Amino acid sequence: QVQLQESGPGLVKPSETLSLTCTVSGVSISSHYWSWIRQPPGKGLEYIGDMYYTGSANNNPSLGSRVTISVDTSKNQFSLKLTSVTAADTAVYYCAGRRVVGGWLNYFEYWGQGIPVTVSS
Amino acid sequence: DIQMTQSPSSLSASVGDRVTITCRASQTIARYLNWYQQKPGKAPKVLISAASTLQSGVPSRFSGSGSGTDFTLTISSLQPEDFATYYCQQSSSTSYTFGQGTKVE
Repeated sequence: QVQLQESGPGLVKPSETLSLTCTVSGVSISSHYWSWIRQPPGKGLEYIGDMYYTGSANNNPSLGSRVTISVDTSKNQFSLKLTSVTAADTAVYYCAGRRVVGGWLNYFEYWGQGIPVTVSS
Repeated sequence: DIQMTQSPSSLSASVGDRVTITCRASQTIARYLNWYQQKPGKAPKVLISAASTLQSGVPSRFSGSGSGTDFTLTISSLQPEDFATYYCQQSSSTSYTFGQGTKVE
């Protein structure tokens, strides 16, 4: 079955760069857009951005140029880098696969279990 | 940026109740609307895509309707496993915004 697994440090210092990786298994890396979504403690979901294996990318404008997402097709992995983090970036970070089909079908089909990340000195 | 507003933010219901959650978009999004269920400590799970298309494996007691700016998620007969938080999400613009969530308790 399809599995997505996040990995990376659970603690990042303010002003530093948050780096996470998602390993995908059970589905072709060329089948979906590969996304990052986060959820601050006790709050709702926020889309961060995603990338297709061709390099086509979307980022949430609210996060500006702090976000870089990359896809490594040889390893079936994709990654997130978020620069200049503050306490406001503390959240559970989910990797997800966004499926795009013809018509109105465009949704986050697969999700990782989530990885909590705390920004603190 | 498209804002998504859900109502209510929380509701109290009993097993067997019919539950309705609404989601309003700040501008028209056609049928680019998805619904997710999230249980505590777990990742969200997609229930409905394109406003009314039930995902494979999702019980038929879940249904979605609407188009344009107003959408509804209905649970026809609430089951114990349905107590969770529900989110709508638009895919009309690339900000892919979510509603704030509705907790069913």
